Amino acid sequence: AQTVTQSQPEMSVQEAETVTLSCTYDTSESDYYLFWYKQPPSRQMILVIRQEAYKQQNATENRFSVNFQKAAKSFSLKISDSQLGDAAMYFCAYYGSNYKLTFGKGTLLTVNP
Amino acid sequence: GAVVSQHPSWVICKSGTSVKIECRSLDFQATTMFWYRQFPKQSLMLMATSNEGSKATYEQGVEKDKFLINHASLTLSTLTVTSAHPEDSSFYICSASYPGRAKSTEAFFGQGTRLTVV
Repeated sequence: AQTVTQSQPEMSVQEAETVTLSCTYDTSESDYYLFWYKQPPSRQMILVIRQEAYKQQNATENRFSVNFQKAAKSFSLKISDSQLGDAAMYFCAYYGSNYKLTFGKGTLLTVNP
Repeated sequence: GAVVSQHPSWVICKSGTSVKIECRSLDFQATTMFWYRQFPKQSLMLMATSNEGSKATYEQGVEKDKFLINHASLTLSTLTVTSAHPEDSSFYICSASYPGRAKSTEAFFGQGTRLTVV
C-alpha cells in the first residue's frame, strides 16, 4: 500500500517570504499522480497543484511550485511571496492504480504579518 | 471547474437517531464518489467509495451497517449515519471524480458536513 509522509506538523512564514513544505511517499508503481491540497479554516478542500509522475518538469501554478524527485520519492511544495490567505492546512496526496487519494497527515501553515 | 455541493453544512442530532448527508455534483455526472471522515486537526480518512448503481466499497474498519451509502444517480450520493452516537461526531467530506479521467482525475470536494451527536 502507498503511504504519504509529511514530516512537518506545523510551519510558519513571514508574509512575502518563501516557505517549503515537505512530502515523501512510498510506492512501487511507476505511473501515478501527486497533489497538494489546501484546507483553510472553512475546511473546503482546494487543489493547489498537481504533478504527473511521468512528467519530469516540475509543476507550477503562479506562486506555487513543486520539487518532484521521483527517484527519491519526494514531492515538496514551495510557496513564494507568502500571503495571509495562504494560511491553512496543506495536505500532500498520492493517486495511483487503486484510483483513490491517499493523504499525508498535513502541515499547518501559519503566515505572520 | 466542477462543483460538488454537500448538504447540510452542519447538523446536530440526538443519540440514537439517523442523519442523512447529501453530496451532489452540480455540473457534471460523477460515476464515482468518495466519503471521508476527518477528526479535528487530522487528515482525511477514506470511509468508502461509491459507484453509481452498485454497492459501495467500504474501507477496512468502517461499519457498513452504520454508515449507509447510496449512489442512486450520477449526480447524487448520500451517506446515512444510522443510530448515531456521540463518537460518530465528526466532519464528513465527499468528493467526486470526473468520468473519463480515471487516472488523471482531479478530485472535486464538497464543503463538508459537521455532525454533532448529543
